[in-house]
Amino acid sequence: DVKVTQSSRYLVKRTGEKVFLECVQDMDHENMFWYRQDPGLGLRLIYFSYDVKMKEKGDIPEGYSVSREKKERFSLILESASTNQTSMYLCASSTYGQNSNQPQHFGDGTRLSIL
Amino acid sequence: RKEVEQDPGPFNVPEGATVAFNCTYSNSASQSFFWYRQDCRKEPKLLMSVYSSGNEDGRFTAQLNRASQYISLLIRDSKLSDSATYLCVVILGTGGFKTIFGAGTRLFVKA
Repeated sequence: DVKVTQSSRYLVKRTGEKVFLECVQDMDHENMFWYRQDPGLGLRLIYFSYDVKMKEKGDIPEGYSVSREKKERFSLILESASTNQTSMYLCASSTYGQNSNQPQHFGDGTRLSIL
Repeated sequence: RKEVEQDPGPFNVPEGATVAFNCTYSNSASQSFFWYRQDCRKEPKLLMSVYSSGNEDGRFTAQLNRASQYISLLIRDSKLSDSATYLCVVILGTGGFKTIFGAGTRLFVKA
């Protein structure tokens, strides 16, 4: 069974803080993703990575950065947290499919509040 | 126009009812299709893949119509536990990078 683990279920931080969200997967997946989900807006892709040290911007990368130093770990960084980054953050992973696409598997999510 | 569109609902149905959700996609490069289920304040979970020939998993049947660019999910004999949001998911091309999630259809099953 695929296991995607996010470091925190709930997190409260202050405006201006640097915030790290960690995600680890145990299935040797090449692809990893960070999303945020807000009521009425659905899932929005922040960044994704298809290999170690590789990263690509998603639809809403502003105010975020990522790090993938090891295949199993993908970190999301809020450089200077702002109240509009209060959200549910979801990490996902999937295997690279050369001939067929494989579905993403999600972590439990981190509910982040910025005060 | 959104790349993946779903009726947001909510669908309110009694236990035992049959309910169908449709999803349309606009990008002809769409290669792979899935249905996910998301419970309130939880993460999305894969429900089933959708194949061109149609596929069934217990009370759930998924179908794909490439010519018309739509996907459907049929739930038979609805249970209270089926209450959730159902997300239509499309992957463009290969590699699995370009994944597009629909906004979801909310289902309430009542006793």
